[in-house]
Formats: sequence, C-alpha cells, structure tokens
Amino acid sequence: DQQVKQNSPSLSVQEGRISILNCDYTNSMFDYFLWYKKYPAEGPTFLISISSIKDKNEDGRFTVFLNKSAKHLSLHIVPSQPGDSAVYFCAAIYNFNKFYFGSGTKLNVKP
Amino acid sequence: EPEVTQTPSHQVTQMGQEVILRCVPISNHLYFYWYRQILGQKVEFLVSFYNNEISEKSEIFDDQFSVERPDGSNFTLKIRSTKLEDSAMYFCASNPGRAVRLAKNIQYFGAGTRLSVL
Repeated sequence: DQQVKQNSPSLSVQEGRISILNCDYTNSMFDYFLWYKKYPAEGPTFLISISSIKDKNEDGRFTVFLNKSAKHLSLHIVPSQPGDSAVYFCAAIYNFNKFYFGSGTKLNVKP
Repeated sequence: EPEVTQTPSHQVTQMGQEVILRCVPISNHLYFYWYRQILGQKVEFLVSFYNNEISEKSEIFDDQFSVERPDGSNFTLKIRSTKLEDSAMYFCASNPGRAVRLAKNIQYFGAGTRLSVL
C-alpha cells in the first residue's frame, strides 16, 4: 500500500545550489502534505507543509510546490547548506488521523 | 521547547517476550500516535489515539499490539509476544489537535526507541 512514493532514495547536491526533492501520491483524498527532516538517531522533525487548496508554500530557504493534477509535490531548498544533509520524508494526510509517509530521500549537501 | 520523550532509547528482548515502549507526549496535546520504521524502510503508521481510545489503526497493528494512556502523561505501546520481525525503530508522536489550521496537522515526534528482538 504505497500511497506516497519517493522514487529517489538519495540526492547529492553542491553547497549553494538548489536541492529538489520529489514525492508522488496516489490518493486524491489527501488534503494536507508535509515534509519532515530526519537526522540519524533522531525522530522526524516537521519542516514545512501545504494544504491541498494551495500550490505553493514558502518558508525561508524551503519551498513546497503541489501539483494536484499530477499528484506530485516537491521540496526546494535554496541555497542548500551542509547542515541540510539528512533524510527527507514527505507525508500526506486525510481524515486528519492517518499519516502516510514516503520512503525518504537521503540528501547529501557537499561543501 | 516542549518535546516528545521516549524511553528506553534501545530495548533488547527475546522472541516471545512482552515489551512496553513508553512515551511522554507534549503536555496539553490531544492526539497521540505510534509509528515504526524497519531498518532501511519507510516510516509506517501503526495507530492513533484520541480521547482515551484508538481512533485509527493500520493493518500492522494486530492483536499483539495495544496502546494505553495509563495516566495524564504517559502513552505506551505494548507488544504482547514479540517476533523477530518486530525489530524496528518505534516513534511516538503527538499533535495539539486544536482548530489552529496549521498546527493541528503537525505531528511532533520523539527520538524513537530501537527495539531489537533476538
């Protein structure tokens, strides 16, 4: 039951460049999407979210784009910093109670 | 800043034994969750809990699992008879559950308990 997919297990980017992490979903009932960042030995930390009624949300260096017709969302980090190196999970919610997580993308930002 | 705390950080148990994983959610949060992440795999939803009862559970959350909020602060996950495949990182999360439109959808996670079943 993979309702949320992150097809790239890893991504390597040079410091200062843009990182683009992608996520696809299958359930059109999802009404909220979130990105979490996870460092080793820590729990996921909320990063940024977007409601299904919007197509873009921006918070500092982080921007999330939602394309509902394509059932696709992406997280842009610009400029990327070495401290951004972590595993990024996208998550989707419907009915408030149930989160579906993607399998994660490991981002490595090289100095 | 308030945080979700989980104990122990690492639990080792023998197959067939019962384990209880403990979580202290953020004070005054109303919704509580357990997730697990098997090594190398995605984070999987197990169960959500609100108003002292399970509100949603996944196919993984079978009769071997139970949750409890025994007092006003702790939220526990019990596995009655552990199997090798229960070895995973277990994350607890909580959510304010209020009508603040953004905040109500954000779950705050603990650092996790690594369960090793031998």
